[in-house]
This record gives sequence, structure tokens and C-alpha cells, in this order.
Amino acid sequence: DMKVTQMPRYLIKRMGENVLLECGQDMSHETMYWYRQDPGLGLQLIYISYDVDSNSEGDIPKGYRVSRKKREHFSLILDSAKTNQTSVYFCASSVIGAGGDEQYFGPGTRLTVL
Amino acid sequence: GDSVTQTEGQVTVSESKSLIINCTYSATSIAYPNLFWYVRYPGEGLQLLLKVITAGQKGSSRGFEATYNKETTSFHLQKASVQESDSAVYYCALSGGNMGYKLTFGTGTSLLVDP
Repeated sequence: DMKVTQMPRYLIKRMGENVLLECGQDMSHETMYWYRQDPGLGLQLIYISYDVDSNSEGDIPKGYRVSRKKREHFSLILDSAKTNQTSVYFCASSVIGAGGDEQYFGPGTRLTVL
Repeated sequence: GDSVTQTEGQVTVSESKSLIINCTYSATSIAYPNLFWYVRYPGEGLQLLLKVITAGQKGSSRGFEATYNKETTSFHLQKASVQESDSAVYYCALSGGNMGYKLTFGTGTSLLVDP
């Protein structure tokens, strides 16, 4: 069963706290992504990971970092969260090569930073 | 840069009526972008609805169809007869060229089908 999971689904944090969002996939996809979506905007790419320990910044990486130590697991870390990082975060994965831009998405994590 | 525009934020259609959701794109750095429609049902992640990689071609899935029109830079999503289960958020997206696998998304159109 091809699946991308995200934990937690909902999270409330105070400004300045650290945040860890976790993503897993069971398809052995090499490439994984973190996006955020804000009202009135499309999904914006935060980071892309091409494989274990091979990560690249996306369009809006400031204030975020990522970790990928296993192919099936990709974490998004907010060190000292800010209120403007309140958003819905989506993780996705895809294969390399033909069809590599067909991405499989998780259900999203709704993060509120107070 | 490259961009995707969906002009309707929300659309309400009665069941069994026809639907069109507009999508236009600007691909300044990509000669022949790949075009997608993704759909997000309540409580679920986005899932690919259809993809077209060749200008002039039509993609179809689950009764939806979209034609890649390079002249008008459009990729409108259509369905002849919607069902209540089609209620969801629909996202148009593009990829390709030196962007690699990066998807550029539109803002999404929320479809509500009245029973």
C-alpha cells in the first residue's frame, strides 16, 4: 500500500519552542519534499531531499532545517518557532527518473505557533 | 519566474451539472512544462488526478479531463457531470526544465457539489 504518513497531524507550540515534524513513506522513493501552504497561496517548497543526507533548499528554507538519515524518513525542524510559521505542512515523495515529478503527498500537519 | 494561476478560489456546482476549473500558466524558464491536476479530499493528502506532458494532448481520469493548450497557456479542468463525491480542492501545477522535479502549484480551487 503506497503511503506517505505525517506525524503529528495537529500541533500547537509557543513562539521560541522547537518543533519537529516527521514524515515517512513506504515506497522506497529516493526524493522527498517538505512544503507549506498558507491561505490564498499555493504550496511552497521548503526543502527537497534527493536521498539520505542529500538535501537542498527549496524556495523558502529560511527558519527551517531538515534531516534524512533513512530513505523512508524525512524530518522538518523549526528551531525557535515563530508565529509566521503557523501553516499547514505537507510532505511528499517521488521516484527518480521518468514520472519523477509525480509526487505522493501526506495528509498534512497543521502547526499553530502562538 | 514560473507560475500557475487559478482564478476561482471556490466553485459551487449542483450535482449532475458540468464543471470547468480554470488554470493558466507562465513558464518563462521551461519550453515544454509538464502539467498536472492534483486533488485533495477532506482529511487526505494531495493525490495526482491527471498529468499531460505533450502540448495538444488531453489527459483524463475519473471522468475529469484537461487539455494542454500551449497557444493559450491553459490547462482547464472539466467534467461533464459532477457528483457529490467530487467535492474537494483541486490544484493545477507544472514542472520541468531545469527545475527538475519541483512542482509549482496554483492556489487551489475548492469545489463544493450540492446534492
